[in-house]
Amino acid sequence: DTGVSQDPRHKITKRGQNVTFRCDPISEHNRLYWYRQTLGQGPEFLTYFQNEAQLEKSRLLSDRFSAERPKGSFSTLEIQRTEQGDSAMYLCASSSPRQGDTEAFFGQGTRLTVV
Amino acid sequence: AQSVTQPDIHITVSEGASLELRCNYSYGATPYLFWYVQSPGQGLQLLLKYFSGDTLVQGIKGFEAEFKRSQSSFNLRKPSVHWSDAAEYFCAVGERSSASKIIFGSGTRLSIRP
Repeated sequence: DTGVSQDPRHKITKRGQNVTFRCDPISEHNRLYWYRQTLGQGPEFLTYFQNEAQLEKSRLLSDRFSAERPKGSFSTLEIQRTEQGDSAMYLCASSSPRQGDTEAFFGQGTRLTVV
Repeated sequence: AQSVTQPDIHITVSEGASLELRCNYSYGATPYLFWYVQSPGQGLQLLLKYFSGDTLVQGIKGFEAEFKRSQSSFNLRKPSVHWSDAAEYFCAVGERSSASKIIFGSGTRLSIRP
């Protein structure tokens, strides 16, 4: 098991462009979480999936953000019409009901810079 | 609403000295509590967690934390720090319905003086 994998690790984009990030959770982990971390702050919850169902979305997730997990395995997070305020580290995590969902395993994140 | 406060933004300690990082939480019931560490360029790593039972929990890398309900605190301690402990430390609180949906504090950056 290679842990939670995120791609790309870094992304620089121009304001107004769309970007998409991918997260591959630990296999057999049915819960998948997205967080955003800005400089000097702790991670902030964005949304989570149980299998393919998106169960909760934070108010931080504006209409420009959309997340999917079509087959209950990997997930994508898309940001449309990026703004400079979207610059942040986007973290993905997964957890397993076999472990009581008591521990989230985090990926190394995708650092987005909007110029 | 749940919240986590880490009052110290940055702490510097000498190598070999003891360490205590403070954490206070606000939650309506007994929460799940976590400490994570984040090194530069690395993902978040769980140091330890408290769900119930013994209020003194042991974690990895020689860290421990004590849950004090009366003070709504969950401070992290280590008797003797090593230079490799320099990192950002996050305290977090989780909901009982989904421990993995957690609310993080703003973090404490730990620097080690040689």
